[in-house]
Amino acid sequence: DQQVKQNSPSLSVQEGRISILNCDYTNSMFDYFLWYKKYPAEGPTFLISISSIKDKNEDGRFTVFLNKSAKHLSLHIVPSQPGDSAVYFCAAPDSNSGYALNFGKGTSLLVTP
Amino acid sequence: DAGVIQSPRHEVTEMGQEVTLRCKPISGHNSLFWYRQTMMRGLELLIYFNNNVPIDDSGMPEDRFSAKMPNASFSTLKIQPSEPRDSAVYFCASSFTSVGQPQHFGDGTRLSIL
Repeated sequence: DQQVKQNSPSLSVQEGRISILNCDYTNSMFDYFLWYKKYPAEGPTFLISISSIKDKNEDGRFTVFLNKSAKHLSLHIVPSQPGDSAVYFCAAPDSNSGYALNFGKGTSLLVTP
Repeated sequence: DAGVIQSPRHEVTEMGQEVTLRCKPISGHNSLFWYRQTMMRGLELLIYFNNNVPIDDSGMPEDRFSAKMPNASFSTLKIQPSEPRDSAVYFCASSFTSVGQPQHFGDGTRLSIL
């Protein structure tokens, strides 16, 4: 049973606009969330994270928002650039498994010029 | 700084053959994870090691799968005998054991069993 869900398999955005990627989770015990970015034929790379005690974390063009009551988080990329085109995974570590990550199935973002 | 190194990058073999995937974690990391990515199930944990000791292998699909970590700088994932449904991309990741520490992934091994 997937504890982390990304319900949009794909998203297309024009260069310069905002990209918003969404993620929902079911386990209220998760206390940390991460976003990974993945290019074809490469492994996922860490992008940004947020602790459950916060509702926002920002790093340059990337901001993650957390709504604990709704069990929802989102990644905002602004402005979007063609190089941002990749698959984005939302993940939450399971403290019972050495913080092994529960991944969503990913959202493929295409940023068009 | 070298990241997580996996080999081979691609493996194509016939059903029934033994397959061995290799991983060198980042030096100093004390947790190592093996994940498998398929279209149907996405990225799922197979097994994780802490300080070279297997802690949770509940994600290993069958007895045909085994993993070892003989020392802090090397791990293997073995499938014997291999089956077509094992075809997937296998990722190794390492990290410090702490909730705030992100895992670092290798570039994966794309395995095709004919």
